Amino acid sequence: DAGVTQSPTHLIKTRGQQVTLRCSPKSGHDTVSWYQQALGQGPQFIFQYYEEEERQRGNFPDRFSGHQFPNYSSELNVNALLLGDSALYLCASSSPRGGYTFGSGTRLTVV
Amino acid sequence: DQQVKQNSPSLSVQEGRISILNCDYTNSMFDYFLWYKKYPAEGPTFLISISSIKDKNEDGRFTVFLNKSAKHLSLHIVPSQPGDSAVYFCAASVFGDNDMRFGAGTRLTVKP
Repeated sequence: DAGVTQSPTHLIKTRGQQVTLRCSPKSGHDTVSWYQQALGQGPQFIFQYYEEEERQRGNFPDRFSGHQFPNYSSELNVNALLLGDSALYLCASSSPRGGYTFGSGTRLTVV
Repeated sequence: DQQVKQNSPSLSVQEGRISILNCDYTNSMFDYFLWYKKYPAEGPTFLISISSIKDKNEDGRFTVFLNKSAKHLSLHIVPSQPGDSAVYFCAASVFGDNDMRFGAGTRLTVKP
């Protein structure tokens, strides 16, 4: 049973560009949350998607947007990249019964 | 705002001894606390949790203690094993709020 799959694993982008990260949830999970983990810090909540809608959002600017598809997979989009957006982006899926399963993350480097 | 704090960036213990990882929080609304373990190049893995109605939860070698008055929780690992070497994150949430708040993590090294 595959867990949470994230792609790509690593990515290098130039300041000002746009990036799309992808996440496939664990089988049986219908909710996807995205976290940003900067170096030396814990994961910070970006937003959560459920039933193809953003259910809750953390303290992140509108440059961060997302989408959830009918098959529960999700994308995280970041526009106008800043150097400070360099981080590990984690996707976590969950079901109504609770319990988060994290993917291995996408390491984004903005140069 | 750092609502969940892990003040020790690293901890080193000898195999077989007890490891104690600490976590403090500031938001008295938090009612559910979790510990995650993270190996390099992997995502965080759920380890153990505790509800605010309890002050202790045990699962094998892992025990979490919650002191609500002090807004403090700790994770005890007994006995520690080299395979326990990882970064441990403390996390807290409020029932109905999907924004789980994480501490910055403590890197545990268990020496053989």
